[in-house]
Amino acid sequence: EVQLVESRGGLVQAGGSLRLSCSASGFYFGQYWMSWVRQAPGKGLEWVANIGQDGDDKNYADSVKGRFTISRDNARDLLYLHMKSLRVGDTAVYYCARDHIIASAGSDRWGQGTLVTVSS
Amino acid sequence: EIRMTQFPSSLSASVGDKVTVSCRSSQTINNLVNWYQQKPGKPPTLLIYNSNTLESGVPSRFSGNASGTDFTLTISCLKPEDFATYFCQQGYSTYTFGQGTKVEL
Repeated sequence: EVQLVESRGGLVQAGGSLRLSCSASGFYFGQYWMSWVRQAPGKGLEWVANIGQDGDDKNYADSVKGRFTISRDNARDLLYLHMKSLRVGDTAVYYCARDHIIASAGSDRWGQGTLVTVSS
Repeated sequence: EIRMTQFPSSLSASVGDKVTVSCRSSQTINNLVNWYQQKPGKPPTLLIYNSNTLESGVPSRFSGNASGTDFTLTISCLKPEDFATYFCQQGYSTYTFGQGTKVEL
């Protein structure tokens, strides 16, 4: 069974940093692109970033470019999101997601999400 | 960045109704649109990818269509478990989501 489990988020002050991790199991992690998607409280979904199978290809939403870094450790089946210069507007539930094996077909498996709260 | 305009933001329906949710992309995206369902407190689930391909395990009452920059998700006969929020997503250039449509009783 495919499982994606995000690390605990937490409360951080504006301007601070936080690293999220996502532990993958039940599938060959190194074969899939992986994404982070977030959802502010009561709002819609916002794609944040994704990373290719070997970690060389990375894409970011304009809203986080230069502040967030996505990375992965295929030996340990782990996905990361390093967040710095956090803003109040980054407050959201952050989901780890497995991208579909078919390119551009979205994400077919999701974690339960972890809440990151940025205070002023 | 490609924008996805989704409408309506909410709609009221009854069990057995046919429901249609729409999205319009800000530019041509080669029918690379995906649709998700999300229930409160849960992560989204993928329903349809590439405009009209049903994801494995998704009931056949869900269908998708594309015409130029206009995309639709149709639920042919609404069931109680279908009351949820639906999101479109373009996959042509990275990913962007529409704003969501809440289907409520």
